[in-house]
Order: sequence, then structure tokens, then C-alpha cells
Amino acid sequence: KAGVTQTPRYLIKTRGQQVTLSCSPISGHRSVSWYQQTPGQGLQFLFEYFSETQRNKGNFPGRFSGRQFSNSRSEMNVSTLELGDSALYLCASSFVAGPEYEQYFGPGTRLTVT
Amino acid sequence: GNSVTQMEGPVTLSEEAFLTINCTYTATGYPSLFWYVQYPGEGLQLLLKATKADDKGSNKGFEATYRKETTSFHLEKGSVQVSDSAVYFCALSDSQAGTALIFGKGTTLSVSS
Repeated sequence: KAGVTQTPRYLIKTRGQQVTLSCSPISGHRSVSWYQQTPGQGLQFLFEYFSETQRNKGNFPGRFSGRQFSNSRSEMNVSTLELGDSALYLCASSFVAGPEYEQYFGPGTRLTVT
Repeated sequence: GNSVTQMEGPVTLSEEAFLTINCTYTATGYPSLFWYVQYPGEGLQLLLKATKADDKGSNKGFEATYRKETTSFHLEKGSVQVSDSAVYFCALSDSQAGTALIFGKGTTLSVSS
């Protein structure tokens, strides 16, 4: 079974631009979560989608948004990019939503904002 | 709020040495506990988990026991290999706080031959 895929793997953007990252979960998985990983803050939860609905949201500004499609694929968007948004963005999928269910992570998208 | 505290790294060991990475947590409910591993340039892989007190998670020679009385979930391995070199993250999820995983800062392990 194919794992979680994320595209693109690397991205360079300029401050003020917007960016869209894509995540395809493992086949049959309906829950997709997004995390930001930085050297200073570590791994932080952004949001989770289940059956096209946002179920949970972390403490990030409204510039960070997401959505999920009927095939469970998910996108996250960051508008008005700031230098501090440079990070590895990880997507994770699980069969169902819930803390006891294992989350499987993709390789991440490395975003660099200049 | 919920939080996870891991020992600071890096941890440097010789091959076949014993490994312990300490992890303690704070949670309002009854969390599930996890260890994830991240190899260079890759995403996170679930190493092991425990969902209730006194459960022991194990995988690939790694073990961790959910200790409610000490709010700990220390990772151990009896004999490390060079291939175990990676960053290890302790994490918790708490149904009362939603579905998010809360991670520790990570501990870098470097094993030399």
C-alpha cells in the first residue's frame, strides 16, 4: 500500500506571496492532519480534517488554512508568507480520527521563505 | 495544558551500548503515548505506542512502558546499532484535547561503530 505523499517536496517563496501544499493520504484513510516543524518551536499541530470537515485546529494565525476533498486528499494554504513560515510541513493520515489511532506521516514539504 | 518533556540531546553512543531516552508528560486526561523516529530527510515513523497505564510498547528492539505514577514513557534499547542514528520524538494524544499529537522537542541519537 502506498504511503502518504506530499507535493512538492521543496519550495522557495518570497515574503508576501502565498503557497499551497498538497497531501495524499494512504488509501482508505479519511483523517488528515498537518504539522509544522521548525528548529525553534519543534513540531506543532496546525489542523486536522476528517471527511472534508475541520475537526481540530492548533494555535496558528488565520493565514494558515486548509481543506479536504471528497477523495480525502488535503491541501494547506499559507497566505502573506513571512520569513518565520520557513519550515518543514508534515502531513499525517489515519484511518479514523481519534487519539488512539496511529498517524502515518509523509516525507514533508520543505518551505523556504526569502 | 498538555505537554511533553524529553531529555536534551545529542546522545552519543557506541554500537551495542544501552540506550535510554527520558520522556515525561503532563496531561489533563488519559493520554495515549507514542515514540516516533525521524531519519535524515524523511518524515516521522511511528516506533511504538501505549494507550493505557502499565502498557509496554515495543518494536525493533525498542521498548517503553507507560508509567502513570511517574508520568513517564522512557525509551530503551538494549543494544543500539549505527542504523539507529536518528531523531526520536516522544508524543502524546489526549481525547479531551482533540486529535492532535503533542510532541517533545526531540532527542538526536548518534551511534558510532
